[in-house]
Amino acid sequence: DAMVIQNPRYQVTQFGKPVTLSCSQTLNHNVMYWYQQKSSQAPKLLFHYYDKDFNNEADTPDNFQSRRPNTSFCFLDIRSPGLGDAAMYLCATSRDRLAGPRETQYFGPGTRLLVL
Amino acid sequence: QKEVEQNSGPLSVPEGAIASLNCTYSDRGSQSFFWYRQYSGKSPELIMFIYSNGDKEDGRFTAQLNKASQYVSLLIRDSQPSDSATYLCAVNTGFQKLVFGTGTRLLVSP
Repeated sequence: DAMVIQNPRYQVTQFGKPVTLSCSQTLNHNVMYWYQQKSSQAPKLLFHYYDKDFNNEADTPDNFQSRRPNTSFCFLDIRSPGLGDAAMYLCATSRDRLAGPRETQYFGPGTRLLVL
Repeated sequence: QKEVEQNSGPLSVPEGAIASLNCTYSDRGSQSFFWYRQYSGKSPELIMFIYSNGDKEDGRFTAQLNKASQYVSLLIRDSQPSDSATYLCAVNTGFQKLVFGTGTRLLVSP
């Protein structure tokens, strides 16, 4: 089945220790998104890739970086995690940019990050 | 000013009743509207989307859109305890990304 996969599902890291979260998709979608979601809050878009074109949200901290080596994979790097970075990190994809009313986003299962 | 607003709830309904979830948005240029269901500790799951004024039905779910009033709703008929979750409203404002509300928590009691 075509799907969005995130690994690991749970990640524990130490304060200040770099961590990488991964996302892969078999949907062959052009766009991949990374969201941060804290408890009882809306998902917050960090950045997205349209093919290889990287788009950073204005309020995304420099501590967060992303790589997309090919269509199928996208990585979220947190260079120096702080306690405030503990959250669920969601990867999503869409077939194309959300320029048309029929375009939708599909989410992976998420990675829950704990910072000690 | 929040772009997408939802009542956080919880909205409590008995099993078999109709649950009505509401969402308002501020950007009149918004093109399409999405409802996601999110169980605790899980990722959002797309239930349905709507982009034309009126009603759109899919099984027990009906989405309603009123662009003049900038209002979108989700009705769940014959609510089941398994429908208990947080329902996120998301809006495509035309800037190639979705804006999410904070969600309404629904509790369906047996």
